[in-house]
Amino acid sequence: GENVEQHPSTLSVQEGDSAVIKCTYSDSASNYFPWYKQELGKGPQLIIDIRSNVGEKKDQRIAVTLNKTAKHFSLHITETQPEDSAVYFCAAMRGTNNNDMRFGAGTRLTVKP
Amino acid sequence: SAVISQKPSRDICQRGTSLTIQCQVDSQVTMMFWYRQQPGQSLTLIATANQGSEATYESGFVIDKFPISRPNLTFSTLTVSNMSPEDSSIYLCSVESPGRGDGYTFGSGTRLTVV
Repeated sequence: GENVEQHPSTLSVQEGDSAVIKCTYSDSASNYFPWYKQELGKGPQLIIDIRSNVGEKKDQRIAVTLNKTAKHFSLHITETQPEDSAVYFCAAMRGTNNNDMRFGAGTRLTVKP
Repeated sequence: SAVISQKPSRDICQRGTSLTIQCQVDSQVTMMFWYRQQPGQSLTLIATANQGSEATYESGFVIDKFPISRPNLTFSTLTVSNMSPEDSSIYLCSVESPGRGDGYTFGSGTRLTVV
């Protein structure tokens, strides 16, 4: 089955700097890669996603890149703000089987003012 | 995207007892998923619940311990039975998110502490 690895486990940046979180996956059949943000006491919230037919996707300060050949994808947050502080999870899924989504271990991002 | 109401938000339970967690969705969905998130850990799928059929459990999870009901297309329950301190976790329900690709929408979770 799919195995998703995520790095780093913790990341601390200064407000205004960029943050990058990286994930690798093992199943070449995975074709959908969402990123979730989980704030304290809340459930994970989808912030951006990318499909395997696209190499990059942007949404304001957030971008995701995908390298299918290397089987890795990354989350980029620019101009970080204290409210970006949360735990971020990557995931990989075969789009045809919605009960086959596997999550990375999570990255705790702290943005220092 | 769907809006999920999950109850209770938290509970402290005695070992040996059972707790039923409810998940209500504001739209009809085919598949509902139950996850466990142990302290500081990632999300692990417990089971997939389809309306009108028995839930499908992932390896390491059994129906006797985590019975699930799915009486209609907007509601599901997860029961944590005969609890022990090792069951202390956050339990989350989620559904597909029509219009948001294939991503899931999650409930706010139930923080369970077993003493």
